[in-house]
Amino acid sequence: DQQVKQNSPSLSVQEGRISILNCDYTNSMFDYFLWYKKYPAEGPTFLISISSIKDKNEDGRFTVFLNKSAKHLSLHIVPSQPGDSAVYFCAARWGARQLTFGSGTQLTVLP
Amino acid sequence: DVKVTQSSRYLVKRTGEKVFLECVQDMDHENMFWYRQDPGLGLRLIYFSYDVKMKEKGDIPEGYSVSREKKERFSLILESASTNQTSMYLCASSFTGTNEKLFFGSGTQLSVL
Repeated sequence: DQQVKQNSPSLSVQEGRISILNCDYTNSMFDYFLWYKKYPAEGPTFLISISSIKDKNEDGRFTVFLNKSAKHLSLHIVPSQPGDSAVYFCAARWGARQLTFGSGTQLTVLP
Repeated sequence: DVKVTQSSRYLVKRTGEKVFLECVQDMDHENMFWYRQDPGLGLRLIYFSYDVKMKEKGDIPEGYSVSREKKERFSLILESASTNQTSMYLCASSFTGTNEKLFFGSGTQLSVL
């Protein structure tokens, strides 16, 4: 029973265009959401987060949007760069409980 | 920079062997975690620890145990390795607090033959 779902295993985008990675969740108790990025042969690194009291958080080229009514989270990367090619995991937390991760989306940014 | 170091990048073991995966962090983090990453399943929590000698089961603890004798070190133990434990194992650490971020090691790819 996956409470955090990333339905697209892969996504390809041209350099300079927008990348949109999506994440759906089923547990309405989740109150904090994060995105991690993972390069091959490295551990995941924290990218950006958002609290459930907000609907948008921006950090440079990265923006996370939260739609609580739809239980949907998205990560926008603008403009996309070849160095953004990686696996992106969304994760969610409920109070003091541990993070629940999605299955990941492989983003490929084509030069 | 926070450093979480896992002792082996690749490990090959035989079915039934006892396997130790070691993890050390250098940022005095209270919390340490062991995850496994499998295609299509994402990261799943095996065990975690809030303090020395403390341990808590995660979502998939069966077949695993852990040890935390020192604050900086967290070991994952496979008592009798099986082929379904072939996976990428990731260690992470964090401070205690609301919305703390996890810092991950580079992972150990374990193959059980």
